[in-house]
Order: sequence, then C-alpha cells, then structure tokens
Amino acid sequence: VQLVESGGGLVKPGGSLRLSCAASGFTFSDYTMNWVRQAPGKGLEWVSSISSSGTYIYYTDSVKGRFTISRDNAKTSLYLQMNSLRAEDTAVYFCVRDTSGNYYPYWGQGTLVTVSS
Amino acid sequence: DIQLTQSPSTLSASAGDRVTITCRASQSISTWLAWYQQKPGKAPKLLIYKASTLESGVPSRFSGSGSGTEFTLTISSLQPDDFATYYCQQYNTYSTFGQGTKVEIK
Repeated sequence: VQLVESGGGLVKPGGSLRLSCAASGFTFSDYTMNWVRQAPGKGLEWVSSISSSGTYIYYTDSVKGRFTISRDNAKTSLYLQMNSLRAEDTAVYFCVRDTSGNYYPYWGQGTLVTVSS
Repeated sequence: DIQLTQSPSTLSASAGDRVTITCRASQSISTWLAWYQQKPGKAPKLLIYKASTLESGVPSRFSGSGSGTEFTLTISSLQPDDFATYYCQQYNTYSTFGQGTKVEIK
C-alpha cells in the first residue's frame, strides 16, 4: 500500500488549495478514504471521509462548507479542495486508507499546508 | 460529538518500565477504539484496534484493554524505540482522536 500526497504549500488567508493523494498497491475502489490533519506541534484531527463509491461523504464541523472531498477510482486518486482557508487550517494533511472497521492502518507521508499572509 | 481524553499528557519513564496510558470517552463507544504511535516527522502507526487486538507486526509488549468509556494502552517493558507520542482514536461515530500522550525519557 502506498499513499502519496501532493499539492500542499503556502497560501494567503481566504485562498484555495487542492490536495491530491495518489494511491497504489491495493484495490482503491474497495475502500473508504480519509483526510486527517495535524497542526504544528498539535494532535491529530480527522477532517473528512469518502466512501468507496463516493456516495457517503462526511466532514468535521470546522471545515463544512469550505472543504470538498472527492475521489476518482479510475485514477486511484483522492482529493481535497480547500476554499476560504484560515490560519487555523495550517497543518500537515495525511491521506489515510480505511479498513472495514474504520480504523487507519495505512497513512501517506503528509503534505504541509501553511495559511499565512 | 464524542470527545476522548487521554492521561497523562506527558509521561517520563525509563527503559524497562511498565507504562500505562488511559483514554476516556465522553460516551460509550463499545470497543471501537484504536491506538497509534507517532514519532516526530512521521505518520502515525497503528498499534491496536477494537480496543485489544494487536495489529500484525506490532510487538507483544503492547496491549490494550477496556470497553465502554475507559480504555488503557500498556507497554509491558518500555524499549528505547517506544519513546514517542501515543494517540487513541474512536471510530464508533465518525472519528475522533485523543490529544496525545508523550512518553519521554526519564
């Protein structure tokens, strides 16, 4: 299993960024995928989940209406469109593969998003 | 939302010590709890799921117990590689992590 995130960087408050996660080594279309973030020096925070077919989507309250999770099973890729970014969105964003039990055995290396003027 | 509270926040211990970390949930989560280990600059590593099931490849010195609202992670004999931060995660309703417990060298 390999998960490789990209798309992080420095963005101004109010700006947008799109994260991508390229998945390989497993049947991507069989699994729920997630984004989990970690602010510098802080703990882990689940951000969003998308079911295997994309039918079911969930967000943590702080990003609802600003972030959109999506996936392309043909390209074995996961995405996170982040709009109206705030300083408190600054974090390393991890792409995470689910299991049938919704715990997380597989993580990417993370991509850093910095929101600052 | 289900909140998880870990204690202690920091734990100072020596190699060979028996170490116990507690995770309390704000409401019952049955046994839908996992534990992770994270080292600086790295992604978290799954140690235990369903409160007490050891993930494949994880040393047997790690064990988990509990159900309902109170859970523990125990390291029977702390090894140098075990100095890290540990997180609990509930997956009964969406997903929530505890705030973490840093295990540092005494």
